Amino acid sequence: KAGVTQTPRYLIKTRGQQVTLSCSPISGHRSVSWYQQTPGQGLQFLFEYFSETQRNKGNFPGRFSGRQFSNSRSEMNVSTLELGDSALYLCASSLGGIEEETQYFGPGTRLLVL
Amino acid sequence: GEDVEQSLFLSVREGDSSVINCTYTDSSSTYLYWYKQEPGAGLQLLTYIFSNMDMKQDQRLTVLLNKKDKHLSLRIADTQTGDSAIYFCAEKGPGNTGKLIFGQGTTLQVKP
Repeated sequence: KAGVTQTPRYLIKTRGQQVTLSCSPISGHRSVSWYQQTPGQGLQFLFEYFSETQRNKGNFPGRFSGRQFSNSRSEMNVSTLELGDSALYLCASSLGGIEEETQYFGPGTRLLVL
Repeated sequence: GEDVEQSLFLSVREGDSSVINCTYTDSSSTYLYWYKQEPGAGLQLLTYIFSNMDMKQDQRLTVLLNKKDKHLSLRIADTQTGDSAIYFCAEKGPGNTGKLIFGQGTTLQVKP
């Protein structure tokens, strides 16, 4: 079974631009969660999508948004990029049931904002 | 509140055992996890433990959970240089959520 894939792996953008990152979960997984990893703040939860609906949301500004498609693939969008948005963005997938206990992470997209 | 704490650095010699510790605050956590991150890579799930268990063993890995003290540890037996990485503990709350709360990560350095 293929693992979680994320595209692109690397991105360079300038302040004020917007960016869209993509995540394809493991086949059969219906939940996709997104995390931001920075040296200063560590790993922080952005949001989770399950069956095309946002199920949970972290404490990030509205510039960060996401969506999930009927095939469970997910995208996250960051508008009006700031220097502080430079980070590794990780997505994780799981079956998404109440008792689901394992989340599997992709390799991440490294975003650099200049 | 939600908070997970880990020591930041551990150095051991190859062949020794490593013990990485973690404390958490949410007593309603259902699952607790250990992930490994190598440079430039994503997170690799190592093992997890359900909150009603005290111990779980998986080959060289042993997880101990003290629910009363909200303390979790990961023991790596016969530590190898390939085990050098950052180790994160994480907790999952109850109910319908995929949200994990992570610690800051412990950098494990294995000296030959």
